[in-house]
Amino acid sequence: NAGVTQTPKFQVLKTGQSMTLQCAQDMNHNSMYWYRQDPGMGLRLIYYSASEGTTDKGEVPNGYNVSRLNKREFSLRLESAAPSQTSVYFCASSEAQIQGSNTEAFFGQGTRLTVV
Amino acid sequence: GENVEQHPSTLSVQEGDSAVIKCTYSDSASNYFPWYKQELGKRPQLIIDIRSNVGEKKDQRIAVTLNKTAKHFSLHITETQPEDSAVYFCAASKGSSNTGKLIFGQGTTLQVKP
Repeated sequence: NAGVTQTPKFQVLKTGQSMTLQCAQDMNHNSMYWYRQDPGMGLRLIYYSASEGTTDKGEVPNGYNVSRLNKREFSLRLESAAPSQTSVYFCASSEAQIQGSNTEAFFGQGTRLTVV
Repeated sequence: GENVEQHPSTLSVQEGDSAVIKCTYSDSASNYFPWYKQELGKRPQLIIDIRSNVGEKKDQRIAVTLNKTAKHFSLHITETQPEDSAVYFCAASKGSSNTGKLIFGQGTTLQVKP
């Protein structure tokens, strides 16, 4: 099992360029997430998908779009990159519940994005 | 929505000492509280979690306590070792939402000095 796989690992964009971050999981998880990590800010939820065909905004969705392509894949798109989107992006997935509460989230290796 | 506050932001201890990191949450409906460890340049990985039906959980040198009334939970690391040096994140989620989404605290950078 590869777990959660993200591509690319590093990316440099110019302001205004667009790009898509790819994420795939092979654990048959229903839920998938995109987080961004900035110094002193922790991990902030951008978008999430509770099941195939559904997506919802998280804490910081502005400037991003997502697609839940199928159960395995969840992509994050920056339509017009801005320097404020310079960050490390993590994709994660988790399965349903135990005793009515949620379970462990597994993270990808991260994408370090720099917007100049 | 849920808000998770984590303190301290940095913590430096001598090898062998104990370390305590504290988190508070705002949504009383939250019922799952994991702790993640992130080593430099790596992905966050779960080290311990607790559900709201228990008050304490231990796994070797690490333990987590939960006070539902006060809405706070803490990570305790005893007999710290240099390899415990990392960033630690607490998080909270609601089982009723059935989405599994986690809201994280700001992180604590733990340095264990040999």
